[in-house]
Amino acid sequence: DAGITQSPRHKVTETGTPVTLRCHQTENHRYMYWYRQDPGHGLRLIHYSYGVKDTDKGEVSDGYSVSRSKTEDFLLTLESATSSQTSVYFCAISENRPNTEAFFGQGTRLTVV
Amino acid sequence: GESVGLHLPTLSVQEGDNSIINCAYSNSASDYFIWYKQESGKGPQFIIDIRSNMDKRQGQRVTVLLNKTVKHLSLQIAATQPGDSAVYFCAENESAGGGADGLTFGKGTHLIIQP
Repeated sequence: DAGITQSPRHKVTETGTPVTLRCHQTENHRYMYWYRQDPGHGLRLIHYSYGVKDTDKGEVSDGYSVSRSKTEDFLLTLESATSSQTSVYFCAISENRPNTEAFFGQGTRLTVV
Repeated sequence: GESVGLHLPTLSVQEGDNSIINCAYSNSASDYFIWYKQESGKGPQFIIDIRSNMDKRQGQRVTVLLNKTVKHLSLQIAATQPGDSAVYFCAENESAGGGADGLTFGKGTHLIIQP
């Protein structure tokens, strides 16, 4: 999987609690992305990063924040988890613009109860 | 808003036959397209891509066709095998935007291989 590790792979959390998902890459790719995948919606972009400390919002960024302090790590934080954030979260990386040959991690299944 | 979608949610084909998965896109500024394969419990896997200055590109057992006039993309899989069973997504990107915007995905087509 192109040297992408997501952690945790599964998580159950309660409404209102903070949650952080981690994406770690060993490819030294510049661009990193967080997507969520829901039935009927396909994959939707949450946030992306084009370098250390450079991030921007995607299509469905409300309720999420991200940080990238190192090239290899991209963190996604749900400050106060809600049931609508129950989803499968995928991290992706790409070396070149425009997101050519983006490689995806295995996903994190998050359930908010 | 702009969207990328698929004509059929499920496609069933006989093993050994060729499969054709279709995709329509609405953003006329899209200039880069990718097909992904996603098996159950796994992340999307890159299959093949094509830029808007091309109308056909071939890989191993796969061919992508792009018709910019009608904004249509298709993925052809030759001699379908059981391992081809998966959900297939098309995705697009507008590179002229200047940023690292992520891909816009269609909702997926589930390819089922009949023995």
